[in-house]
Amino acid sequence: DVKVTQSSRYLVKRTGEKVFLECVQDMDHENMFWYRQDPGLGLRLIYFSYDVKMKEKGDIPEGYSVSREKKERFSLILESASTNQTSMYLCASSSGQENSPLHFGNGTRLTVT
Amino acid sequence: AQKITQTQPGMFVQEKEAVTLDCTYDTSDPSYGLFWYKQPSSGEMIFLIYQGSYDQQNATEGRYSLNFQKARKSANLVISASQLGDSAMYFCAMRRKNTGNQFYFGTGTSLTVIP
Repeated sequence: DVKVTQSSRYLVKRTGEKVFLECVQDMDHENMFWYRQDPGLGLRLIYFSYDVKMKEKGDIPEGYSVSREKKERFSLILESASTNQTSMYLCASSSGQENSPLHFGNGTRLTVT
Repeated sequence: AQKITQTQPGMFVQEKEAVTLDCTYDTSDPSYGLFWYKQPSSGEMIFLIYQGSYDQQNATEGRYSLNFQKARKSANLVISASQLGDSAMYFCAMRRKNTGNQFYFGTGTSLTVIP
């Protein structure tokens, strides 16, 4: 079974802090994704990566950056956290096969005060 | 532009009855995949069912089936014999090969099963 692990279930940070959200998958998947989920807005893609050191912007990359130094690890960085980044953050991975679904981590509920 | 549309923010269904959750999508790609996910109150995202754009038959997985109408660009999820445990948020998603295998999600439908 694919396992996607997010390092924190809950995080509380202050405005202006640099925040790191870590995600690790154990299935050698090429593709990794970061989404944020807000009520009424569904899941919105922040960044994704299809290979080590490769990254692509999603629909809402502003205020975020990512790092993928190893295939199994994909980190989301909030350079200077703001209150409008309070949200649920979901990491996911998938293989390159067309019918491969996204496998999600359990999410990180981030609160910025 | 919205690529996946779920027009039903909330739905109610009586236990043991069938329910259809609507999903329409927008793409000009010839090849794409459609997925449905369930998110119970615990927050985990559970993959339910997949339909490929070239698949001739509608996908089925146990009590879940996908009513795929390619010309109308719709991929509705049908849940038969609803159970209380089916109460959850349901998300439709599309995977587009032409955009590096990005997945696009709808805004979700909240399903409540009434005993």
